[in-house]
Amino acid sequence: GQQLNQSPQSMFIQEGEDVSMNCTSSSIFNTWLWYKQDPGEGPVLLIALYKAGELTSNGRLTAQFGITRKDSFLNISASIPSDVGIYFCAGQNSGAGSYQLTFGKGTKLSVIP
Amino acid sequence: AAGVIQSPRHLIKEKRETATLKCYPIPRHDTVYWYQQGPGQDPQFLISFYEKMQSDKGSIPDRFSAQQFSDYHSELNMSSLELGDSALYFCASSTRQGGNTIYFGEGSWLTVV
Repeated sequence: GQQLNQSPQSMFIQEGEDVSMNCTSSSIFNTWLWYKQDPGEGPVLLIALYKAGELTSNGRLTAQFGITRKDSFLNISASIPSDVGIYFCAGQNSGAGSYQLTFGKGTKLSVIP
Repeated sequence: AAGVIQSPRHLIKEKRETATLKCYPIPRHDTVYWYQQGPGQDPQFLISFYEKMQSDKGSIPDRFSAQQFSDYHSELNMSSLELGDSALYFCASSTRQGGNTIYFGEGSWLTVV
């Protein structure tokens, strides 16, 4: 099946620093999504990308859908303590009516005040 | 805005018992998904329903079953519970008219003892 490689696995950064994480896939996706998950909570959608090459921002977050449709990155600028959590990339296809998500393994972000 | 509602939030069951999780999708969403997330793992797709019909099947054990009802709520039934079934179970929903962007509930914690 499809696999996503998400990196880095974890990051420790100083408050105010910028963060970058990415996902690569062995196969193409029609949609890339980025979620943030706090412990014991459900993944919260941050950004959804629907077109190859698309660059989308949501506040301090910026994400891009790679031109090859096999990769995506997420940048967080000027990190703050509440950015702490696990960030998941997810790929989605729409073949044969299936819209399930394939998740990366997550990037655990720690922000040092 | 209304989100995906899951119940119960927490439950504890003994081995070989049965558990039922309920999910109420976002209003007017036509697709429901169930995911299982073990400790430190990414969410794994179990099963999905579109307009009350099973639309896709993932790594759902034969001991588990699910259905979507006429009011679009869904239930995940888990029988002969095993210790390894202890996990966070997420329901998510989407609508094809909304680009199938998937939104997650807060999850149901199942602990099997």
